[in-house]
Amino acid sequence: DAGITQSPRYKITETGRQVTLMCHQTWSHSYMFWYRQDLGHGLRLIYYSAAADITDKGEVPDGYVVSRSKTENFPLTLESATRSQTSVYFCASSALYSKSSYNEQFFGPGTRLTVL
Amino acid sequence: DAKTTQPTSMDCAEGRAANLPCNHSTISGNEYVYWYRQIHSQGPQYIIHGLKNNETNEMASLIITEDRKSSTLILPHATLRDTAVYYCIVPTNDYKLSFGAGTTVTVRA
Repeated sequence: DAGITQSPRYKITETGRQVTLMCHQTWSHSYMFWYRQDLGHGLRLIYYSAAADITDKGEVPDGYVVSRSKTENFPLTLESATRSQTSVYFCASSALYSKSSYNEQFFGPGTRLTVL
Repeated sequence: DAKTTQPTSMDCAEGRAANLPCNHSTISGNEYVYWYRQIHSQGPQYIIHGLKNNETNEMASLIITEDRKSSTLILPHATLRDTAVYYCIVPTNDYKLSFGAGTTVTVRA
């Protein structure tokens, strides 16, 4: 399917477990992003990637690891999940032609993660 | 990101225009204004963006004041499906968006 997809859509895990959230896009966009959204709040940037093998921290990176071996995939790993990481996680991608041009971010449907 | 200020919430009657204000008094000359919206439980959706001139697309119109310190997003004929949280964003880097609390818009029949 064309577009941006996330899996799983829902995940329940326990404190201390490792969890990986998947994000896949079919547009060959160079930029990809991970955000988290806590109940009743706006989105906060966790990590982003400008291209394969290039990643950088966002606003709230602690406790998360990312990788980008292929342009189309951008997995997010919680190495040892904590209750404070209970949230909805959104992945996004963007073509980013240049800093002065139109650069829409396309968002996935989200993964609702609960850490018990 | 340039700080933006939006009202917390607003109501709108179905079929009427919804005018959503946003203040961004610290915006610099080369920074764009972007609007996104988030319908309940979905990922944010791009609406429109602009630099200086007013812009219009199939979803909305964006009016930017001459001094660029504020803007207004206009939904010309609001429908129930336009009920969402609307975010006004001025990113310093085009690829990093900072989402604040936004304006919760409720369209009523």
